[in-house]
Amino acid sequence: GQNIDQPTEMTATEGAIVQINCTYQTSGFNGLFWYQQHAGEAPTFLSYNVLDGLEEKGRFSSFLSRSKGYSYLLLKELQMKDSASYLCAVRDVGIYGGSQGNLIFGKGTKLSVKP
Amino acid sequence: KAGVTQTPRYLIKTRGQQVTLSCSPISGHRSVSWYQQTPGQGLQFLFEYFSETQRNKGNFPGRFSGRQFSNSRSEMNVSTLELGDSALYLCASSGSSGRGDTQYFGPGTRLTVL
Repeated sequence: GQNIDQPTEMTATEGAIVQINCTYQTSGFNGLFWYQQHAGEAPTFLSYNVLDGLEEKGRFSSFLSRSKGYSYLLLKELQMKDSASYLCAVRDVGIYGGSQGNLIFGKGTKLSVKP
Repeated sequence: KAGVTQTPRYLIKTRGQQVTLSCSPISGHRSVSWYQQTPGQGLQFLFEYFSETQRNKGNFPGRFSGRQFSNSRSEMNVSTLELGDSALYLCASSGSSGRGDTQYFGPGTRLTVL
């Protein structure tokens, strides 16, 4: 089966660092994505990992270990505007075994940043 | 470049009715995917269209259908609406058929079934 797990809620303080973990068990793997979704808005793309290791983009970093089925999103220098849900998504393998699989989403982690 | 647009943004229907939602992808994007988002289930994949062909399909009943036009615009139809169909329906477009093609989401259509 397809399963993606991430914590339901997290709370952190403005200026701090927070790590949001994601573990996955999927029949296929063609990359892992992180999206940010503010309440009432559409998800916006944050990062993409397909090889093991760390990808850094400004205050956001994402890590992937394919052997462990594990990823995390690291947010540094937290700001109030970072309060949002963070969605972990794995791209499956397409029905013809190719790379055109759909995204399987976790249920999201709601992050609250406190002053 | 304009983003993904969806119409209408809000819709109220009653049980048994049918509804059609529209999605215009980012210019040049040929793939359009549809998702249903509910508080309990999160984002669930409905189907994906690429070059007017359905390329992938999720586990939803046949009441949910879609199509894509030659200009890559896509429509999703839900027939015989049920209360449980109340959700935010999101479409996302991506650029090509390769790996790691990032999906960019539209603002969604919030459907309420009474």
